Amino acid sequence: DSGVTQTPKHLITATGQRVTLRCSPRSGDLSVYWYQQSLDQGLQFLIQYYNGEERAKGNILERFSAQQFPDLHSELNLSSLELGDSALYFCASSSGTGLAQFFGPGTRLTVL
Amino acid sequence: AQSVTQLDSQVPVFEEAPVELRCNYSSSVSVYLFWYVQYPNQGLQLLLKYLSGSTLVKGINGFEAEFNKSQTSFHLRKPSVHISDTAEYFCAVSDNNDYKLSFGAGTTVTVRA
Repeated sequence: DSGVTQTPKHLITATGQRVTLRCSPRSGDLSVYWYQQSLDQGLQFLIQYYNGEERAKGNILERFSAQQFPDLHSELNLSSLELGDSALYFCASSSGTGLAQFFGPGTRLTVL
Repeated sequence: AQSVTQLDSQVPVFEEAPVELRCNYSSSVSVYLFWYVQYPNQGLQLLLKYLSGSTLVKGINGFEAEFNKSQTSFHLRKPSVHISDTAEYFCAVSDNNDYKLSFGAGTTVTVRA
């Protein structure tokens, strides 16, 4: 158990819908990272937050957004969902930038 | 920007035999290197990391890796594998300009009795 929690574990929805994925980092970790894992793209970095502020952005679609709240939990919002958004979404946390990241169990999103 | 190449997509190996998983990276600045393992239907677990210092890094479950700056490699080794080591292994790199992890495509290790 990494100490990073993610909810829900599974999510099934339809095209065009909007969903919110939630992540709670390890106690004391200030950095939260979001990654997408799909069969065709592999593991891709989406976005990083540090202590409530956006720190780095990867190949994140404009339909996707995230935020980190004062209690340091983070949410990833995915809207206007397409079939190709079906993937595993992982959250990771670290105590600072540049240090080892610890991953949550992931949310499996299926878009029908 | 950095990138990672895992040279083997699948590695079959017999129980109690040694295994080596190859990883090469490219980056224009100093790097931090990691190996993660993903068991079926689970998240990623950190096996080991290289941040600085000794180039031979020991991790959990008997794994070790060696950082070779001249060859830009970070190969993972285990001298004797168990059935329970069957999993997918990911090499990842970050640097001190951009701390996001860039992952290789993964190597699937299948351990047979």
